[in-house]
Amino acid sequence: EIVLTQSPATLSLSPGERATLSCGASQSVGSNFLAWYQQKPGLAPRLLIYHASTRATGIPDRFSGSGSGTDFTLTISRLEPGDSAVYYCQQYGRSPLYSFGQGTHLQIK
Amino acid sequence: QVQLQESGPGLVKPSETLSLTCNVSGGSISSADSYWSWIRQPPGKGLEWIGYIYNSGSTYFNPSLKSRVSISADTSKNHFSLKMSSVTAADTAVYYCARIGDFAYFHHWGLGTLVTVSS
Repeated sequence: EIVLTQSPATLSLSPGERATLSCGASQSVGSNFLAWYQQKPGLAPRLLIYHASTRATGIPDRFSGSGSGTDFTLTISRLEPGDSAVYYCQQYGRSPLYSFGQGTHLQIK
Repeated sequence: QVQLQESGPGLVKPSETLSLTCNVSGGSISSADSYWSWIRQPPGKGLEWIGYIYNSGSTYFNPSLKSRVSISADTSKNHFSLKMSSVTAADTAVYYCARIGDFAYFHHWGLGTLVTVSS
């Protein structure tokens, strides 16, 4: 069973700074089937990035994804207060067919 | 734009069966290569994929839940449903329905519904 490990668990940054969130997989993620989601309190997750680096519809270019194999990164540039949220990575293909990391809490000071 | 809305009891007794429905608008659940999924999130915890239904009848489940879960679809009402048997307190969670795009990602989500398992 594949395990996705996100780091750091918590990140506290100031507006205008850059956030770098990591997602490590215990097995290689085939064909870079890796996505990132943003979840704000009380709301459903929202798809940000898929295929490791493709932005979903309506997502600003401040959000970018990179990586391959077992190491993936979500970068958020020019942080805004509204970026405070929990960010999850998700893989497709390994057992279980879909699985998520445990999340990174991003706090904008 | 596809919209999804979960509905069902917010309280279920231990050992009973949890039943939820996801109503879909702005898209047909019987569309070719349409995958429709359930995901849950225990309070304060992460996300767990439960299973999906596609082409209105074929299903696939998380092995950890497979023995207790079923998903069905009613194309006349454009909705799909989740049943989970023999629930315990560990099944207390917000349950989301979602549409899978590119067969790999959860592009559209419902608002979620909290189900509490308690006597």
